[in-house]
Amino acid sequence: AQTVTQSQPEMSVQEAETVTLSCTYDTSESDYYLFWYKQPPSRQMILVIRQEAYKQQNATENRFSVNFQKAAKSFSLKISDSQLGDAAMYFCASYPMNRDDKIIFGKGTRLHILP
Amino acid sequence: NAGVMQNPRHLVRRRGQEARLRCSPMKGHSHVYWYRQLPEEGLKFMVYLQKENIIDESGMPKERFSAEFPKEGPSILRIQQVVRGDSAAYFCASSPDGQGTFFGQGTRLTVV
Repeated sequence: AQTVTQSQPEMSVQEAETVTLSCTYDTSESDYYLFWYKQPPSRQMILVIRQEAYKQQNATENRFSVNFQKAAKSFSLKISDSQLGDAAMYFCASYPMNRDDKIIFGKGTRLHILP
Repeated sequence: NAGVMQNPRHLVRRRGQEARLRCSPMKGHSHVYWYRQLPEEGLKFMVYLQKENIIDESGMPKERFSAEFPKEGPSILRIQQVVRGDSAAYFCASSPDGQGTFFGQGTRLTVV
């Protein structure tokens, strides 16, 4: 069974600063995807970044990057130059690569941006 | 590509009525997932469907809830005889094969 754990229910960061959201996971799969989703107050779920577990290079999307530590089963999200629009719930998720299955989500981290 | 479309966005039902939530996946996506989000909680998986087939319904309550994804038309999540505890946001997601699943904006169900 897969599990995803986000141990920080809430975090705050000053505008323009950098913040890191933690995520650990457990899976018996050899190949899988990891995702970070953003859920702003509109409640829409937005895919922020995706990492294939077989890739050693950390994924990056503009101000968003991940620190993927496969042996430690850790997948943290770093947001650089935080902006007010980054305020949202952030969900970490995992998905097996080679078979049909469901995405497993963590409980989320609420990120506050302080002006 | 219009994205994953869910309707209605908001649905109010009295206790005992039926709720029907619709989800049109992105064009070319044959995998559909339904999730429920209770206030201040993460998303809980309910059911995973491919065209005309239920692949995994392990997260769906055994009573009153059903889902379908017909060959033509949207996926439907149906809740019969709704109760107050069914009030939540219901999200649909679709993917072509799991490489980045895309979500709809959700349907907020309120049972009064």
